[in-house]
Amino acid sequence: SQKIEQNSEALNIQEGKTATLTCNYTNYSPAYLQWYRQDPGRGPVFLLLIRENEKEKRKERLKVTFDTTLKQSLFHITASQPADSATYLCALDRSNTGKLIFGQGTTLQVKP
Amino acid sequence: SAVISQKPSRDICQRGTSLTIQCQVDSQVTMMFWYRQQPGQSLTLIATANQGSEATYESGFVIDKFPISRPNLTFSTLTVSNMSPEDSSIYLCSVWDRETQYFGPGTRLLVL
Repeated sequence: SQKIEQNSEALNIQEGKTATLTCNYTNYSPAYLQWYRQDPGRGPVFLLLIRENEKEKRKERLKVTFDTTLKQSLFHITASQPADSATYLCALDRSNTGKLIFGQGTTLQVKP
Repeated sequence: SAVISQKPSRDICQRGTSLTIQCQVDSQVTMMFWYRQQPGQSLTLIATANQGSEATYESGFVIDKFPISRPNLTFSTLTVSNMSPEDSSIYLCSVWDRETQYFGPGTRLLVL
């Protein structure tokens, strides 16, 4: 069956450092992969989308890589801030229709 | 971007009753979805709300339990029928617009 795995353990880092979150998937060949941020009690907020033919994408302090051979995406937040503390979700689109399969999310805690 | 509102934001319901959740989008969109997020879990797609036709349900979800209406391109409802405590979740409406998925704030449901 299709499976998406994110590190279930919370990631604790010091302010100013780079946070790196991992998303691995199996039995799937997605057209693209997306990353979302979710704060407690709120709906997910779209951050970045990367296509299967793209290796890397950047947006301000965010960087996403996509390795279709390893079936892995890495999500980086550089110069992290306490305001970056949240749960980050990885999601795959099964058929370019907006129907997403989500990972369980990784909680990031940035300490001042 | 699309702005999505949901009503109610939260509710506490008795076992055996039904609750209808409303989703309103500030622009016309073709693709609209309903997701569920159970406590401590990630998001799971319930169904695609199709305008003018019956909703398309994902494996494990049926129309009798989760009837959906989509009378136009800006509005949809999801009903959770004959509720049990296992239905306690956050229910989220989302839309797919130009390769970006937007989520509503969610409806937090507690079934006693």
